[in-house]
Amino acid sequence: AQKITQTQPGMFVQEKEAVTLDCTYDTSDPSYGLFWYKQPSSGEMIFLIYQGSYDQQNATEGRYSLNFQKARKSANLVISASQLGDSAMYFCAMRLTGGGNKLTFGTGTQLKVEL
Amino acid sequence: DTAVSQTPKYLVTQMGNDKSIKCEQNLGHDTMYWYKQDSKKFLKIMFSYNNKELIINETVPNRFSPKSPDKAHLNLHINSLELGDSAVYFCASSQRLAGYNYEQYFGPGTRLTVT
Repeated sequence: AQKITQTQPGMFVQEKEAVTLDCTYDTSDPSYGLFWYKQPSSGEMIFLIYQGSYDQQNATEGRYSLNFQKARKSANLVISASQLGDSAMYFCAMRLTGGGNKLTFGTGTQLKVEL
Repeated sequence: DTAVSQTPKYLVTQMGNDKSIKCEQNLGHDTMYWYKQDSKKFLKIMFSYNNKELIINETVPNRFSPKSPDKAHLNLHINSLELGDSAVYFCASSQRLAGYNYEQYFGPGTRLTVT
């Protein structure tokens, strides 16, 4: 069975600094996808970035990049130039290709951006 | 304009009642999901429908019954509500093309409180 681990329950970062949110995963399936979602205090789930297991390059979307290290089974999210609006809960999730497209989520990391 | 909408946003009810949550997506997606987020923010898949056909049914009590009248709608009916059903319920949708499943877009969530 697949598993996602986020070991940082809470993180602080100063505005304009970069921050890395950790995510490790466990699966024996060679084909999978890794996702990051943001959940602000208002409650909605916002898709940020996606990395496929066969993608050769790390995914990037604006200030978000995914540091994908396949051998280590890690998919860390890097947020550059943090903004106050980045304060939120961040979830890492994995989808197995043959798993009916269900997402298995980690427990989340609460990020607080400070002035 | 809303891509994935849910009604109601808040639902407060007493134990033993039956209630429904409605979900609609206007993205043209063919797959829809229900997730449950508990008080510790942990998200777990409950059900998934692809083209109105149930494809994921996780270990969920029989009191929960999803219904998909068409590809754009997935409703969740809950019978004999219990205190433990209090949670935020998220609907999501995605598109499956040529065997590839794209990212899921989430609705705003329905906060269910059972008293």
